Amino acid sequence: KNQVEQSPQSLIILEGKNCTLQCNYTVSPFSNLRWYKQDTGRGPVSLTIMTFSENTKSNGRYTATLDADTKQSSLHITASQLSDSASYICVVSRSGSARQLTFGSGTQLTVLP
Amino acid sequence: KAGVTQTPRYLIKTRGQQVTLSCSPISGHRSVSWYQQTPGQGLQFLFEYFSETQRNKGNFPGRFSGRQFSNSRSEMNVSTLELGDSALYLCASSPEGGTYEQYFGPGTRLTVT
Repeated sequence: KNQVEQSPQSLIILEGKNCTLQCNYTVSPFSNLRWYKQDTGRGPVSLTIMTFSENTKSNGRYTATLDADTKQSSLHITASQLSDSASYICVVSRSGSARQLTFGSGTQLTVLP
Repeated sequence: KAGVTQTPRYLIKTRGQQVTLSCSPISGHRSVSWYQQTPGQGLQFLFEYFSETQRNKGNFPGRFSGRQFSNSRSEMNVSTLELGDSALYLCASSPEGGTYEQYFGPGTRLTVT
Protein backbone atom coordinates (compact mmCIF):
# COMPACT_ATOMS: atom_id res chain seq x y z
CA LYS A 1 0.00 0.00 0.00
CA ASN A 2 1.32 3.46 -0.91
CA GLN A 3 1.81 5.42 2.28
CA VAL A 4 3.59 8.51 3.54
CA GLU A 5 4.28 8.74 7.25
CA GLN A 6 5.52 11.85 8.96
CA SER A 7 7.05 12.33 12.36
CA PRO A 8 6.73 13.83 14.79
CA GLN A 9 3.02 14.60 14.63
CA SER A 10 3.65 17.87 16.45
CA LEU A 11 6.69 19.78 17.60
CA ILE A 12 7.24 22.82 19.79
CA ILE A 13 10.53 24.70 19.66
CA LEU A 14 11.88 28.06 20.76
CA GLU A 15 12.53 30.81 18.30
CA GLY A 16 16.03 30.67 16.90
CA LYS A 17 16.41 26.92 17.34
CA ASN A 18 16.80 24.40 14.53
CA CYS A 19 14.56 21.42 13.95
CA THR A 20 14.21 18.44 11.64
CA LEU A 21 11.01 16.85 10.39
CA GLN A 22 10.91 13.32 9.04
CA CYS A 23 9.04 11.68 6.18
CA ASN A 24 9.10 7.96 5.36
CA TYR A 25 7.30 6.61 2.33
CA THR A 26 6.44 3.32 0.71
CA VAL A 27 5.18 4.84 -2.55
CA SER A 28 6.33 3.02 -5.64
CA PRO A 29 7.30 3.74 -8.33
CA PHE A 30 8.75 7.02 -7.18
CA SER A 31 8.66 10.19 -9.23
CA ASN A 32 9.27 13.06 -6.84
CA LEU A 33 8.87 14.18 -3.25
CA ARG A 34 7.54 17.57 -2.21
CA TRP A 35 7.46 19.46 1.03
CA TYR A 36 4.70 21.98 1.58
CA LYS A 37 4.13 24.53 4.32
CA GLN A 38 0.53 25.22 5.26
CA ASP A 39 -0.48 28.05 7.52
CA THR A 40 -3.73 27.57 9.43
CA GLY A 41 -6.74 28.06 7.18
CA ARG A 42 -4.61 28.64 4.07
CA GLY A 43 -3.56 26.56 1.09
CA PRO A 44 -0.23 24.71 1.12
CA VAL A 45 2.78 26.49 -0.31
CA SER A 46 5.58 24.53 -1.94
CA LEU A 47 8.97 24.58 -0.25
CA THR A 48 10.92 22.04 -2.31
CA ILE A 49 10.50 19.35 -4.94
CA MET A 50 13.09 16.59 -5.29
CA THR A 51 13.40 13.91 -7.90
CA PHE A 52 15.09 10.55 -7.55
CA SER A 53 18.56 11.86 -8.38
CA GLU A 54 18.53 14.78 -5.94
CA ASN A 55 19.86 14.34 -2.41
CA THR A 56 19.51 17.85 -1.06
CA LYS A 57 17.59 20.95 -1.96
CA SER A 58 17.47 24.24 -0.11
CA ASN A 59 15.00 27.10 -0.04
CA GLY A 60 16.30 29.80 2.29
CA ARG A 61 16.32 28.43 5.83
CA TYR A 62 14.63 25.22 4.67
CA THR A 63 16.78 22.29 3.54
CA ALA A 64 15.25 19.03 2.38
CA THR A 65 17.16 15.79 2.00
CA LEU A 66 16.15 12.63 0.20
CA ASP A 67 17.46 9.10 0.48
CA ALA A 68 15.67 7.20 -2.26
CA ASP A 69 17.27 3.92 -1.20
CA THR A 70 15.82 3.97 2.30
CA LYS A 71 12.76 5.96 1.15
CA GLN A 72 13.28 8.66 3.71
CA SER A 73 13.25 12.42 3.53
CA SER A 74 13.82 15.12 6.08
CA LEU A 75 13.13 18.83 6.24
CA HIS A 76 15.58 20.86 8.29
CA ILE A 77 14.63 24.34 9.44
CA THR A 78 17.46 26.57 10.54
CA ALA A 79 17.18 29.47 12.99
CA SER A 80 13.43 29.13 13.34
CA GLN A 81 11.16 32.16 13.32
CA LEU A 82 7.67 32.67 14.70
CA SER A 83 6.37 32.69 11.13
CA ASP A 84 7.58 29.10 10.71
CA SER A 85 4.67 27.97 12.88
CA ALA A 86 2.59 25.90 10.46
CA SER A 87 1.84 22.40 9.28
CA TYR A 88 4.52 20.82 7.09
CA ILE A 89 3.24 18.24 4.65
CA CYS A 90 5.29 15.67 2.78
CA VAL A 91 3.84 14.56 -0.56
CA VAL A 92 5.15 11.78 -2.76
CA SER A 93 4.27 11.43 -6.43
CA ARG A 94 4.28 8.13 -8.23
CA SER A 95 4.10 9.54 -11.70
CA GLY A 96 1.84 11.25 -14.17
CA SER A 97 -1.27 12.73 -12.68
CA ALA A 98 -2.44 14.27 -9.45
CA ARG A 99 -4.25 10.99 -8.84
CA GLN A 100 -0.87 9.56 -8.02
CA LEU A 101 0.00 11.95 -5.20
CA THR A 102 0.14 10.48 -1.69
CA PHE A 103 -0.02 12.97 1.16
CA GLY A 104 1.41 12.65 4.63
CA SER A 105 -0.70 13.78 7.56
CA GLY A 106 1.71 16.59 8.33
CA THR A 107 3.83 17.78 11.25
CA GLN A 108 2.40 20.69 13.20
CA LEU A 109 5.27 22.98 14.17
CA THR A 110 4.87 25.65 16.82
CA VAL A 111 7.64 28.18 17.34
CA LEU A 112 7.49 29.99 20.66
CA PRO A 113 9.18 33.33 21.47
CA LYS B 1 0.98 36.70 -12.16
CA ALA B 2 -2.07 36.39 -9.97
CA GLY B 3 -2.26 33.25 -7.88
CA VAL B 4 -5.00 30.67 -7.68
CA THR B 5 -8.23 32.17 -6.44
CA GLN B 6 -11.15 30.38 -4.86
CA THR B 7 -14.62 31.65 -4.13
CA PRO B 8 -16.28 31.85 -1.78
CA ARG B 9 -13.75 31.67 1.04
CA TYR B 10 -16.30 30.66 3.64
CA LEU B 11 -19.64 28.95 3.31
CA ILE B 12 -22.24 27.64 5.72
CA LYS B 13 -24.85 25.22 4.40
CA THR B 14 -27.51 22.99 5.85
CA ARG B 15 -27.52 19.22 5.56
CA GLY B 16 -29.28 18.14 2.38
CA GLN B 17 -28.49 21.28 0.42
CA GLN B 18 -26.06 21.48 -2.46
CA VAL B 19 -23.07 23.76 -2.96
CA THR B 20 -20.89 24.96 -5.81
CA LEU B 21 -17.32 26.10 -5.27
CA SER B 22 -15.25 27.95 -7.84
CA CYS B 23 -11.56 27.95 -8.67
CA SER B 24 -9.64 30.21 -11.05
CA PRO B 25 -6.19 28.83 -11.86
CA ILE B 26 -3.04 30.76 -12.57
CA SER B 27 -3.12 32.21 -16.06
CA GLY B 28 -1.77 29.68 -18.56
CA HIS B 29 -2.30 26.68 -16.29
CA ARG B 30 -4.51 24.03 -17.83
CA SER B 31 -4.69 21.52 -14.98
CA VAL B 32 -6.89 22.00 -11.93
CA SER B 33 -7.07 19.52 -9.08
CA TRP B 34 -9.44 19.53 -6.15
CA TYR B 35 -8.73 18.28 -2.64
CA GLN B 36 -10.68 17.88 0.57
CA GLN B 37 -8.84 18.54 3.80
CA THR B 38 -10.17 17.52 7.20
CA PRO B 39 -8.34 17.26 10.53
CA GLY B 40 -8.89 13.53 10.69
CA GLN B 41 -8.13 12.53 7.09
CA GLY B 42 -5.65 15.15 5.96
CA LEU B 43 -5.55 16.05 2.28
CA GLN B 44 -7.53 13.75 0.00
CA PHE B 45 -7.64 13.93 -3.77
CA LEU B 46 -11.07 14.54 -5.29
CA PHE B 47 -10.47 14.93 -9.03
CA GLU B 48 -8.29 16.52 -11.66
CA TYR B 49 -9.36 18.36 -14.77
CA PHE B 50 -7.22 19.10 -17.77
CA SER B 51 -8.42 20.94 -20.85
CA GLU B 52 -12.08 20.58 -19.80
CA THR B 53 -11.79 16.81 -19.31
CA GLN B 54 -11.76 14.94 -16.04
CA ARG B 55 -8.46 13.14 -16.11
CA ASN B 56 -8.53 11.43 -12.74
CA LYS B 57 -10.94 10.86 -9.89
CA GLY B 58 -10.39 10.01 -6.25
CA ASN B 59 -12.45 7.75 -4.04
CA PHE B 60 -15.37 10.02 -3.28
CA PRO B 61 -19.09 9.33 -3.78
CA GLY B 62 -20.95 10.54 -6.82
CA ARG B 63 -22.33 13.48 -4.82
CA PHE B 64 -19.03 15.15 -5.55
CA SER B 65 -18.69 16.35 -9.12
CA GLY B 66 -16.83 18.97 -11.02
CA ARG B 67 -16.26 20.55 -14.36
CA GLN B 68 -13.79 22.77 -16.13
CA PHE B 69 -14.51 25.54 -18.57
CA SER B 70 -12.65 26.54 -21.71
CA ASN B 71 -10.81 29.28 -19.80
CA SER B 72 -9.56 26.60 -17.35
CA ARG B 73 -11.72 27.88 -14.50
CA SER B 74 -13.21 25.00 -12.57
CA GLU B 75 -16.20 24.40 -10.38
CA MET B 76 -16.87 21.71 -7.85
CA ASN B 77 -20.36 20.71 -6.81
CA VAL B 78 -21.46 18.73 -3.80
CA SER B 79 -25.08 17.62 -3.69
CA THR B 80 -27.11 16.40 -0.72
CA LEU B 81 -24.63 17.74 1.80
CA GLU B 82 -23.78 15.68 4.85
CA LEU B 83 -22.25 16.81 8.13
CA GLY B 84 -19.07 14.94 7.21
CA ASP B 85 -18.59 17.15 4.16
CA SER B 86 -17.49 19.98 6.43
CA ALA B 87 -13.92 20.63 5.38
CA LEU B 88 -11.46 22.93 3.71
CA TYR B 89 -11.71 22.45 -0.06
CA LEU B 90 -8.54 23.29 -1.89
CA CYS B 91 -7.88 23.58 -5.55
CA ALA B 92 -4.45 23.54 -7.14
CA SER B 93 -3.37 24.45 -10.62
CA SER B 94 -0.35 23.46 -12.65
CA PRO B 95 0.77 23.95 -16.25
CA GLU B 96 0.32 20.34 -17.25
CA GLY B 97 -0.57 18.48 -14.10
CA GLY B 98 1.04 15.49 -12.46
CA THR B 99 4.68 15.88 -11.66
CA TYR B 100 4.68 19.56 -12.41
CA GLU B 101 4.59 21.94 -9.48
CA GLN B 102 1.12 22.51 -8.10
CA TYR B 103 0.04 25.90 -6.81
CA PHE B 104 -2.70 25.85 -4.22
CA GLY B 105 -5.43 28.37 -3.70
CA PRO B 106 -6.43 29.63 -0.23
CA GLY B 107 -9.31 27.18 -0.01
CA THR B 108 -13.01 27.37 0.70
CA ARG B 109 -14.04 26.55 4.25
CA LEU B 110 -17.36 24.71 4.06
CA THR B 111 -19.37 24.14 7.21
CA VAL B 112 -22.43 21.90 7.06
CA THR B 113 -24.91 22.23 9.93
